[in-house]
Amino acid sequence: NAGVTQTPKFQVLKTGQSMTLQCAQDMNHEYMSWYRQDPGMGLRLIHYSVGAGITDQGEVPNGYNVSRSTTEDFPLRLLSAAPSQTSVYFCASSYGGRGNSPLHFGNGTRLTVT
Amino acid sequence: QQQVKQSPQSLIVQKGGISIINCAYENTAFDYFPWYQQFPGKGPALLIAIRPDVSEKKEGRFTISFNKSAKQFSLHIMDSQPGDSATYFCAASRTVQGAQKLVFGQGTRLTINP
Repeated sequence: NAGVTQTPKFQVLKTGQSMTLQCAQDMNHEYMSWYRQDPGMGLRLIHYSVGAGITDQGEVPNGYNVSRSTTEDFPLRLLSAAPSQTSVYFCASSYGGRGNSPLHFGNGTRLTVT
Repeated sequence: QQQVKQSPQSLIVQKGGISIINCAYENTAFDYFPWYQQFPGKGPALLIAIRPDVSEKKEGRFTISFNKSAKQFSLHIMDSQPGDSATYFCAASRTVQGAQKLVFGQGTRLTINP
């Protein structure tokens, strides 16, 4: 039972490069989301999805795109990386979208933009 | 705008002592208050959660105390153990159009000295 799987674990980009952070879950969860974790800032919601074909913006969406073509996958795209996007990124999923459904997190992707 | 404020940022407690982490929120629309525990190199995992109609919830050595009128809640870890050393995040959640919007506190790095 893999849970939430994120790849890659580490990535270094140059300013202006693009990349996609992968996230897959095998729990048949409808709700998936992306957070970034920065020191002293906690975790901040970037984008989320309540089901295949449905996405919406979170607290800090600028510079990121998402899509949800299947229930299992929820990739996060950086179109033109900036140093301000240096962070640890976490994907999370839950059975339902309501507040009392616990989030299951992946182990994160540490991204450095130089 | 930090909707959930968490303190302290770091905490050192002796083995067997009580660890206390405090959080305050602003938005009275929040209706679910989870705590997440994160070990180095891992994603956060749900530890314990409470609804605002309950003043206290206890699970083993972990207790949430909730003060709705003061808009504050806290995590108490009794008989703290070295294995409790981790980063703890409080959070507040509300459901908007079927999707949970979870706002995290800044995190507390807890160290339990043996």
